[in-house]
Amino acid sequence: EAGVTQSPTHLIKTRGQQATLRCSPISGHTSVYWYQQALGLGLQFLLWYDEGEERNRGNFPPRFSGRQFPNYSSELNVNALELEDSALYLCASSLGQSRKPQHFGDGTRLSIL
Amino acid sequence: GDSVTQMEGPVTLSEEAFLTINCTYTATGYPSLFWYVQYPGEGLQLLLKATKADDKGSNKGFEATYRKETTSFHLEKGSVQVSDSAVYFCALDSWGKFQFGAGTQVVVTP
Repeated sequence: EAGVTQSPTHLIKTRGQQATLRCSPISGHTSVYWYQQALGLGLQFLLWYDEGEERNRGNFPPRFSGRQFPNYSSELNVNALELEDSALYLCASSLGQSRKPQHFGDGTRLSIL
Repeated sequence: GDSVTQMEGPVTLSEEAFLTINCTYTATGYPSLFWYVQYPGEGLQLLLKATKADDKGSNKGFEATYRKETTSFHLEKGSVQVSDSAVYFCALDSWGKFQFGAGTQVVVTP
């Protein structure tokens, strides 16, 4: 069974640009979660999608957005990039809605120059 | 708001020693609780879980009991191995509100 896959592995952008990160969940999983793991800050919950709908979002500004496609894959968009957006962005998927174990991808390392 | 607090690392111990990593939480309602582990060079993976009070999760010799009265979910292992060296994360899921602890690095020496 293929795990959660994320692309790209690394992404380098400059301040003010936009970044798009992609995630493919495990087959059969309908929920996708996005987290930011900045140095020294642990995992911060960004967004949760299930069945194509945004179900919840963490305490991040609106320039962090995303969507989930009919095949349950997802993308995270970060607009007007700032230096502090440099972090590892992790995607996870789970069966159904919350309270299920999440399966994580290896992440996309976003670096803002 | 919901939060998870876990002991800071690194925790360094010898092989066959007893390991405890403390985790306490604050949540409205009754969250599910999880321990995730990240081995060197690998992604986060689920170690164990508990979904209601007094549940005990266990896996790979690790155990944690959901204690509602003390709002805790401490991770324990009776005899650690070098291969248990990793970063351990406590997490809660309270119906769509997800919180992870900061992670505790564990280093086991031969």
